[in-house]
Amino acid sequence: DVKVTQSSRYLVKRTGEKVFLECVQDMDHENMFWYRQDPGLGLRLIYFSYDVKMKEKGDIPEGYSVSREKKERFSLILESASTNQTSMYLCASSLSLGSNQPQHFGDGTRLSIL
Amino acid sequence: DQQVKQNSPSLSVQEGRISILNCDYTNSMFDYFLWYKKYPAEGPTFLISISSIKDKNEDGRFTVFLNKSAKHLSLHIVPSQPGDSAVYFCAASSQGGSEKLVFGKGTKLTVNP
Repeated sequence: DVKVTQSSRYLVKRTGEKVFLECVQDMDHENMFWYRQDPGLGLRLIYFSYDVKMKEKGDIPEGYSVSREKKERFSLILESASTNQTSMYLCASSLSLGSNQPQHFGDGTRLSIL
Repeated sequence: DQQVKQNSPSLSVQEGRISILNCDYTNSMFDYFLWYKKYPAEGPTFLISISSIKDKNEDGRFTVFLNKSAKHLSLHIVPSQPGDSAVYFCAASSQGGSEKLVFGKGTKLTVNP
């Protein structure tokens, strides 16, 4: 079974802080993704990565950056947290490009910015 | 512009009956469609998928139907069980499920005992 682990289930931070959300997958997947989920808006893609040290912007990258130094780990960084970044953050991974395999998700990090 | 639409925010059915969740899409380049189930405080769980070369895929109580001409897909759950109560997301991609997914906003299904 694919295991995607997010380092924190709940996190409370203050406005202006630099926030790191960590995600690790144990299935040697090439692709990793960061989404945020907000009520009534579904899941929206922030950033994704097809390989180590590679990243691409999703639909809502503003205010975020990512890091992928190792294949199994994908970090989401809020450079200067703001209250509108309070949300549920979901990490996902999938096998490889064109493999027709679904993305598998972690359990999410509920982040509150005060 | 919303490329994947789930027009019903919620659906309530009786245990044992059929649940039908609907999804419409606008991008004709989409060729792979997935359904995810999400319980509160958990991540989405992959449920079932269908490629555009098929019009039906079945897995136990879950069946997904794809109507390409209408750009419409549906998820049927038969029989519905209380444990099926969750939010269901439809998603689509243009090069297989490993690629960038576009999600609908979700439909909350409640199955009443």
